[in-house]
Amino acid sequence: EADIYQTPRYLVIGTGKKITLECSQTMGHDKMYWYQQDPGMELHLIHYSYGVNSTEKGDLSSESTVSRIRTEHFPLTLESARPSHTSQYLCASSDRDTGEIGELFFGEGSRLTVL
Amino acid sequence: AQSVTQPDIHITVSEGASLELRCNYSYGATPYLFWYVQSPGQGLQLLLKYFSGDTLVQGIKGFEAEFKRSQSSFNLRKPSVHWSDAAEYFCAVVWGGYNKLIFGAGTRLAVHP
Repeated sequence: EADIYQTPRYLVIGTGKKITLECSQTMGHDKMYWYQQDPGMELHLIHYSYGVNSTEKGDLSSESTVSRIRTEHFPLTLESARPSHTSQYLCASSDRDTGEIGELFFGEGSRLTVL
Repeated sequence: AQSVTQPDIHITVSEGASLELRCNYSYGATPYLFWYVQSPGQGLQLLLKYFSGDTLVQGIKGFEAEFKRSQSSFNLRKPSVHWSDAAEYFCAVVWGGYNKLIFGAGTRLAVHP
């Protein structure tokens, strides 16, 4: 069973607030990812990291930022939330050493609503 | 650009009936293909994957999928659906060889008793 945790699971917040979505994994995985998921739409990669101090933007432009100071932790931050940021955010990880391409372990998601 | 298409947004089947979920991809070379399942309120779980070799792959929970290069398809099947299979199913393809997946829009499966 995967050990990857996201908090909060649900967040309702007003426009202009700063928010941080937390993601932690206890598997020692090097690679971590953030996907954005809207109903009826594809999951879109917004950020990824191949290890500590490594972060890259994904194929969907996002106003959020991420950091990777510790292997197990990959938080996502929105400096000033807007209604257009309303979505579900999924965090995932994988172990580069296994060679198991594409086998991602997902957290349960953080559903963000910006009023 | 690589893309994944799941033509069916919603599918409803009766418990015990067979199931086939469609997936088509657009990619220059043979991709690495995956099916993930997302139960309500949960994260995504890997069902099965295809890299090479035998084009019929077996996964968890009694699912299988068949890669057909001529049709650019990777359809998911199950001979007898259980009520617990109600979930959303995502087809995905690896992009760029860096463990970055491209997902389809998903198919939501409902199971009638």
